[in-house]
Order: sequence, then structure tokens, then C-alpha cells
Amino acid sequence: DAGVIQSPRHEVTEMGQEVTLRCKPISGHDYLFWYRQTMMRGLELLIYFNNNVPIDDSGMPEDRFSAKMPNASFSTLKIQPSEPRDSAVYFCASSFDRGRVNEQFFGPGTRLTVL
Amino acid sequence: QKEVEQNSGPLSVPEGAIASLNCTYSDRGSQSFFWYRQYSGKSPELIMFIYSNGDKEDGRFTAQLNKASQYVSLLIRDSQPSDSATYLCAVKYGGFKTIFGAGTRLFVKA
Repeated sequence: DAGVIQSPRHEVTEMGQEVTLRCKPISGHDYLFWYRQTMMRGLELLIYFNNNVPIDDSGMPEDRFSAKMPNASFSTLKIQPSEPRDSAVYFCASSFDRGRVNEQFFGPGTRLTVL
Repeated sequence: QKEVEQNSGPLSVPEGAIASLNCTYSDRGSQSFFWYRQYSGKSPELIMFIYSNGDKEDGRFTAQLNKASQYVSLLIRDSQPSDSATYLCAVKYGGFKTIFGAGTRLFVKA
């Protein structure tokens, strides 16, 4: 398996532009997570899905952020409009239910820079 | 507000020594505990998990859990320069929500 795939790997955009980050989870995994990582705040959970349904979006910082999972093999995280403080590495991770133990497999991340 | 606290470090140990990484968590309802390793510029990868009180050993790694004290630790024996990374403590709450600590940077000097 190719693991979790994210695109793009790097994104540089200007303030006010729309940004769309993409993720393909590992086949057979039924949980998908979006995280944001910065030096100041560490790794923060933004939202997670189970069987394509959003379960907890309490970590989404503002209405400018939205996430969708139209099918089991694809998810997007959109920021509109983007701001410089959104600059971070965004990770997508996937997992499957093993009871108390659920290893999350992380993608390589998207490094977002908003100028 | 559920919290996971770690000393940010850096923790510096000589090659061959034992590295001890610590983590505390705020919610007694926490179910499972994980240690992820993250090399600079890379994504986190799971190295250990534990959900019962006591010790769990896997090769050079030992995870320790004390639910009464809300404390979890990771010991790395015979530390190698390749162990130099940031170690993230993660705590799973109800459902699948997992909260990560800020991480402890470890440097192993050759």
C-alpha cells in the first residue's frame, strides 16, 4: 500500500486566496483525521471522519475552514479566505477501529505558507 | 479542556544511555496512550502504545503508565544517534479523538 497520500506537498499563496488540501487515506481505513502543526501550538486535531461522516469538528478554528469527505478514498480541507496565521504543516492521517488501540498513519503533510 | 503536557526539552543524552521522556494528562477518562516519533521535516510515526497500568516493553523501548497519577513515560535504552527526534505523547479519549502533547526533542550525542 502507498500509505496516506497528500497533495500538494508545498503550497505558497497570498492572503485572501482559497487553498484546498487533498488527502487519500489508506484503503480499508474508516477513520480520517486532519491535523495542523505549528511550532507554537504543536499538533492540533482539526476534524475527524468515520465512514465519510464528520464526527468531531470542534478543532476547526474558524468558519474559513471547511472539510469534506465525499467518499472513502478522498478528503479535502479548504481554507477560504486564507490568512498568514494559517501558515503551518497540515497532516492527514487514517486509521481503522481496533478497539482501544487505533494507530494513526500519517501522510507526509502539506506545508502551507500564506504571504 | 483536555490537556497533554510534555517537557519541550531539548533532552540531551550520550549514546548508550537511557533516555526518559515524560507526559502527564488531565482527563481521568483517558483510555489509551501512544508515543509517536517525529523526525525533523517528517510525519509522526507510532512507536509504542499502552492502555493498562504498568510497563510494556518492545525492544529498546519501554512505556510506563500510571493512571492514578495520570502519568505516562517512555524509556529508550541504549540510546542511539538515530533516536534523535521529537517524541509526541498522545492520549485517546472517548470515540476516536486523540490529543497530542507538544513533544519533547531528544538529542543523542555520539
